[in-house]
Amino acid sequence: KAGVTQTPRYLIKTRGQQVTLSCSPISGHRSVSWYQQTPGQGLQFLFEYFSETQRNKGNFPGRFSGRQFSNSRSEMNVSTLELGDSALYLCASSELQETQYFGPGTRLLVL
Amino acid sequence: GDSVTQMEGPVTLSEEAFLTINCTYTATGYPSLFWYVQYPGEGLQLLLKATKADDKGSNKGFEATYRKETTSFHLEKGSVQVSDSAVYFCALSEKAAGNKLTFGGGTRVLVKP
Repeated sequence: KAGVTQTPRYLIKTRGQQVTLSCSPISGHRSVSWYQQTPGQGLQFLFEYFSETQRNKGNFPGRFSGRQFSNSRSEMNVSTLELGDSALYLCASSELQETQYFGPGTRLLVL
Repeated sequence: GDSVTQMEGPVTLSEEAFLTINCTYTATGYPSLFWYVQYPGEGLQLLLKATKADDKGSNKGFEATYRKETTSFHLEKGSVQVSDSAVYFCALSEKAAGNKLTFGGGTRVLVKP
């Protein structure tokens, strides 16, 4: 099976802009989770979607949002970008309550 | 809330040396425990997991045993290679929290020839 894919791999934006990141899960996986990785805060959970519904949400401001489509593909959106949003954004997919498999990540740089 | 604490790095070793990375956790229930590895410029790869007390996870020469009495899940490898140089993350998930993973801060390991 193909692994988790994320697009784009790299992105440069300026403060105040918005960005949309995409994640395609492993075929058959209905759960998609998003994580933010920064040198200062480490790996932090953003949210999880299962069958198009948000099941869980981390402690991030409302500028961070996501959605999941009927084919299980997921997008996350960050509005009004801040310098501190520069990070590696990782997507993971799994069957329900099973091991999560991660994609290569999208590296976002906010200038 | 749940938390994971792992030893800070970097850990620098010579090839064929023994590696131990300590990991302890705090959880309200009975979590599943994981070790993930991240190579430069890549995402996370699952290294091994254990889902209940006294389970031993193993893969590629790495091992970790779920110790409920000491709330620990230490990672060990008997003989490291240069290719084991990476960042290692200990993590837990609780069923009540869905698929949410709580990670430790990561330990960078550098193996020198």
